[in-house]
Amino acid sequence: GQNIDQPTEMTATEGAIVQINCTYQTSGFNGLFWYQQHAGEAPTFLSYNVLDGLEEKGRFSSFLSRSKGYSYLLLKELQMKDSASYLCAALDSNYQLIWGAGTKLIIKP
Amino acid sequence: GAVVSQHPSWVICKSGTSVKIECRSLDFQATTMFWYRQFPKQSLMLMATSNEGSKATYEQGVEKDKFLINHASLTLSTLTVTSAHPEDSSFYICSASPLTGESSYNSPLHFGNGTRLTVT
Repeated sequence: GQNIDQPTEMTATEGAIVQINCTYQTSGFNGLFWYQQHAGEAPTFLSYNVLDGLEEKGRFSSFLSRSKGYSYLLLKELQMKDSASYLCAALDSNYQLIWGAGTKLIIKP
Repeated sequence: GAVVSQHPSWVICKSGTSVKIECRSLDFQATTMFWYRQFPKQSLMLMATSNEGSKATYEQGVEKDKFLINHASLTLSTLTVTSAHPEDSSFYICSASPLTGESSYNSPLHFGNGTRLTVT
């Protein structure tokens, strides 16, 4: 079956760096998305990777290894507003999005 | 940027009544819109794909007679929860992509702000 695994919850300190991992098993692969979702709100797009490697966007970077079925989202210089859930979603061969359950990130002062 | 508006943001209704949720793409045309449901601390679950001018495609396990979807125009899709029951209480979110065809598949989805439905 198709599956996305990511940690349920992580805690980090303001100003620090945190890496949120995601492993996926899908029927085919057409890319991986990361979304941020604040409590009670809809997800907002952060990144899309389809090729191996690291893509950097300001304080956020996303990495993909297709051979390992692995991705991570790296958040630098953490701010309190980064407290949210981070959703990993893989696009399978039918271009269906398979969503992870999300990682709740708690930022402490 | 692309904006998707969803209304209402929250609704409380009595068991047995019907509730309509609207999803509008404000600055782009959306041939396809997606309806998701999210229970607390769980992932987004795709309910159905709404296609303009044709019938929606429902995911396995989603009752098409209970969750009525209408996509009458390129900017509006509606989800009606008919004869709502307390177990239908959830966060319903719509999404769409400004792109069409194959280009839309790997482009980011733009989400509405969601509708929190509580059935008493």
